[in-house]
Amino acid sequence: GAVVSQHPSRVICKSGTSVKIECRSLDFQATTMFWYRQFPKQSLMLMATSNEGSKATYEQGVEKDKFLINHASLTLSTLTVTSAHPEDSSFYICSARDRFYGYTFGSGTRLTVV
Amino acid sequence: AQTVTQSQPEMSVQEAETVTLSCTYDTSESDYYLFWYKQPPSRQMILVIRQEAYKQQNATENRFSVNFQKAAKSFSLKISDSQLGDAAMYFCALEIRAGNQFYFGTGTSLTVIP
Repeated sequence: GAVVSQHPSRVICKSGTSVKIECRSLDFQATTMFWYRQFPKQSLMLMATSNEGSKATYEQGVEKDKFLINHASLTLSTLTVTSAHPEDSSFYICSARDRFYGYTFGSGTRLTVV
Repeated sequence: AQTVTQSQPEMSVQEAETVTLSCTYDTSESDYYLFWYKQPPSRQMILVIRQEAYKQQNATENRFSVNFQKAAKSFSLKISDSQLGDAAMYFCALEIRAGNQFYFGTGTSLTVIP
């Protein structure tokens, strides 16, 4: 089946620094990837839809300048949390849609800002 | 607007018994898919089962089956012969084919009692 690789799985950073999370579709091309945020014991909240070669579409309430999304190729999308603060600590998950298997999710990134 | 509702925040089942998780949804679209995803403690999202709305036959994957009632907009998941490894959060999800829209329910935490 389709595989989406997400790195890093865990990251701890200092407040004020930026963190980049990568999401790669390993055996298929993904023109669209999705970024979610998940708080403990809650559902996934869609943050933005990443489109290859164009600007990402952000959900209402998500700061574009805080969460920078780049989708420069058909297999890679990145989410950069800029000037991270403790309230940005969360679990971030990406997904991509394959025409045969539907949505496939990355393994997630646990971000802790100290 | 589309909504997905899981009315059971927590469920428990004895090992080897059967449990049914409920999901209702609302959409005015005619072309959509429904999914059940499992999220174990590792937090990797795992596709359990998928149902195309145009198919009347209920999807089945080994011990997992759905009861898809299109008119009632109900999509329940039945897990037979429950195993300890089935313990996880289960999310019901709706995909609207037009526009790549994807909606998650709030999740049901399933505990399997040995």
